[in-house]
Amino acid sequence: KNQVEQSPQSLIILEGKNCTLQCNYTVSPFSNLRWYKQDTGRGPVSLTIMTFSENTKSNGRYTATLDADTKQSSLHITASQLSDSASYICVVKRGSGNTGKLIFGQGTTLQVKP
Amino acid sequence: DTGVSQDPRHKITKRGQNVTFRCDPISEHNRLYWYRQTLGQGPEFLTYFQNEAQLEKSRLLSDRFSAERPKGSFSTLEIQRTEQGDSAMYLCASSLWEGRQGVSNTEAFFGQGTRLTVV
Repeated sequence: KNQVEQSPQSLIILEGKNCTLQCNYTVSPFSNLRWYKQDTGRGPVSLTIMTFSENTKSNGRYTATLDADTKQSSLHITASQLSDSASYICVVKRGSGNTGKLIFGQGTTLQVKP
Repeated sequence: DTGVSQDPRHKITKRGQNVTFRCDPISEHNRLYWYRQTLGQGPEFLTYFQNEAQLEKSRLLSDRFSAERPKGSFSTLEIQRTEQGDSAMYLCASSLWEGRQGVSNTEAFFGQGTRLTVV
């Protein structure tokens, strides 16, 4: 079954601290993996997108890693800010010809406290 | 604004009524997706279009749901005889599919969503 699982479900950290969010997937065939940030009541906004051959990709204070062998990804947030408080969703695109289906994880809710 | 726009942002309706949502994708994007998201969950795929063709529909899309993209630009999602279980955020996204082997389509850009509350 094609699934994306994220951990932890929720996380509280102090402003300025680092954190790492995890994503495991069983999607096959794999096309690419994306991390999205979703503020409450808003649509998801893309942070990174990685294909099979990419191991790491950074976007400012966000660094995503991908291990296609173990089917794991992580999102590391450095020097967290209050504005980082949001839900972070791991999304895997299942690559099979023309299909456009993105398979979403349930998200990790991050709360950054002052 | 050149992003994906959805209308309305919020909709409250009585059970049994019909509702229709609209999505305007990024203008050069040929793919348009509809997702449903309930509180605390990730978005669930409903359906997607490539130009005006509806290429895939999820089993979540019951016969009360219908989506159209008549001219390959904006899309509408209609829910007939709404039920309380339909209450959710309905998200629209668009992307550009290049259709060439070995070339991944670009990332999907999401709209702000339409929050539906069925009372």
